[in-house]
Amino acid sequence: GEDVEQSLFLSVREGDSSVINCTYTDSSSTYLYWYKQEPGAGLQLLTYIFSNMDMKQDQRLTVLLNKKDKHLSLRIADTQTGDSAIYFCAEALGGYQKVTFGTGTKLQVIP
Amino acid sequence: DADVTQTPRNRITKTGKRIMLECSQTKGHDRMYWYRQDPGLGLRLIYYSFDVKDINKGEISDGYSVSRQAQAKFSLSLESAIPNQTALYFCATSGPAGSETQYFGPGTRLLVL
Repeated sequence: GEDVEQSLFLSVREGDSSVINCTYTDSSSTYLYWYKQEPGAGLQLLTYIFSNMDMKQDQRLTVLLNKKDKHLSLRIADTQTGDSAIYFCAEALGGYQKVTFGTGTKLQVIP
Repeated sequence: DADVTQTPRNRITKTGKRIMLECSQTKGHDRMYWYRQDPGLGLRLIYYSFDVKDINKGEISDGYSVSRQAQAKFSLSLESAIPNQTALYFCATSGPAGSETQYFGPGTRLLVL
């Protein structure tokens, strides 16, 4: 099967770090993505990582990839109320011919 | 202006009606996609097109059809809408292989009564 799994909900306090986890099943995935969906809006690409990388950092975002365990995580440092949204991970084979999205993790930031 | 636009943004229709959702993109990309989003199920691919003459079924194409009228336009039709097609529909576009960023439209919320 090709399921991408995420926990459904995460609650953190403003200023803390958030870690959203994702497991995927297709070891031949070439790209792994994190998208953010705010209420009533479409999906916004936050960051992506190539499968030959272990880590990628972009300002407050850190993506870690453990290929052995097929585990992807997104760490948001100094989480703000504006980070409240649903976060989707997705895996793609080359050429985006086959993309599988996770079920999404709803991040709630408590002021 | 938005890179990917969808019309309508919201639609209520009745069972058995034909409905078309439209998508336009200004990115100049060849690749376009239609997804539906259901609570707890993430996004599922309905159809995708890699150029004007290319149409491919996705994971859940039954009950849907598409038309790629031009590079910039990709429409999704429900020939005879049914209630379990009530969902949020997203159009997306991406660049060629090697340029994997996908750009999503704002979504169309469809309710089938």
